[in-house]
Amino acid sequence: DTAVSQTPKYLVTQMGNDKSIKCEQNLGHDTMYWYKQDSKKFLKIMFSYNNKELIINETVPNRFSPKSPDKAHLNLHINSLELGDSAVYFCASSPGGGYTFGSGTRLTVV
Amino acid sequence: QQQVKQSPQSLIVQKGGIPIINCAYENTAFDYFPWYQQFPGKGPALLIAIRPDVSEKKEGRFTISFNKSAKQFSLHIMDSQPGDSATYFCAAKKGDYKLSFGAGTTVTVRA
Repeated sequence: DTAVSQTPKYLVTQMGNDKSIKCEQNLGHDTMYWYKQDSKKFLKIMFSYNNKELIINETVPNRFSPKSPDKAHLNLHINSLELGDSAVYFCASSPGGGYTFGSGTRLTVV
Repeated sequence: QQQVKQSPQSLIVQKGGIPIINCAYENTAFDYFPWYQQFPGKGPALLIAIRPDVSEKKEGRFTISFNKSAKQFSLHIMDSQPGDSATYFCAAKKGDYKLSFGAGTTVTVRA
């Protein structure tokens, strides 16, 4: 059983398209996150939800919109994709201490 | 701005050597300092973590040393093996707030 699962694993799309990445955790954690890892491997937080409530919203373009239908799911929708959005996006969950990360979604915008 | 500074960016050691990765922070409110290990194509995985009331913590071949007064902490990998080749990230957070990550160190252990 995968603790934090993300789909899809790979996503190749054209500029201007809209796409979504889904994340589900079966750990019973209250808090979920989206992180972006750039080509230099730097991990930067984008959003955090606690029990479906948005608690962290870093300086992210408003083309990115997270949605949490319940505390086990946190999805990321991206509108009008740009070349600079190409990166690996990681979902993570936490009970309050360490994080458990998913295996990532590699987004390539062409 | 980066809240946790990590060095070196990369290092290469021979099998059996001891790679050492250093991190420094400014925010004295940080109270949780984990290290993550990431293999290519995988997500970061929690390796070991320490709280500031402890100066050292060992788990298997991995040791964290923590210097509260200097606001620094480091990861030592004892008797390193080729399977330890990965990118290592230090991180820090305060309470239930977000984890701030260092820039990562790519460790290569040659057989």
